[in-house]
Amino acid sequence: DAGVTQSPTHLIKTRGQQVTLRCSPKSGHDTVSWYQQALGQGPQFIFQYYEEEERQRGNFPDRFSGHQFPNYSSELNVNALLLGDSALYLCASSLRVLPIPDTQYFGPGTRLTVL
Amino acid sequence: TQLLEQSPQFLSIQEGENLTVYCNSSSVFSSLQWYRQEPGEGPVLLVTVVTGGEVKKLKRLTFQFGDARKDSSLHITAAQPGDTGLYLCAVIMEYGNKLVFGAGTILRVKS
Repeated sequence: DAGVTQSPTHLIKTRGQQVTLRCSPKSGHDTVSWYQQALGQGPQFIFQYYEEEERQRGNFPDRFSGHQFPNYSSELNVNALLLGDSALYLCASSLRVLPIPDTQYFGPGTRLTVL
Repeated sequence: TQLLEQSPQFLSIQEGENLTVYCNSSSVFSSLQWYRQEPGEGPVLLVTVVTGGEVKKLKRLTFQFGDARKDSSLHITAAQPGDTGLYLCAVIMEYGNKLVFGAGTILRVKS
């Protein structure tokens, strides 16, 4: 049973460029969350997707956008890259079983470096 | 100001030593989680504590939730090099839609 997978593993971009990161959730999971982890910090919540809609958003600018596909996989897009966007981007998947929050399982992340 | 304050930020110890790391807040939580993250990997959930005063054990790791549910600690007995990693505490917010993490404690266990 494959866990959460993310691609690519590493990425180098220059300021002003755009980037797309991809995530495939754990089998049976329908919810995908994205987190940004700067060096020496804990992960920070970007947003969560369920039923192909953004359900919750953290304190990130509109340059960060996402999408969820019918097969539950997800993409994170970042436009007009800044040096400060350099970080590890983590995807986490879970099964939405209200009202009790289910465990989020994290992928290995994509390391983005902006030069 | 961080919702969750973790201390110490960095800990380097010899194999076989004991250690405790802390996660503190001024807010009250219904539950709190501890994760371990190894280099090149995502965080892995170790435990969820839900009751004030609760103590949970996972082999050589002991987790405690404060009586007032504002703080937690993780104690490792006889640390091993395999315990090396970033230890993160987190709380579940907004009906399970997001996790809020502390900045973490980097643990290095030398053999």
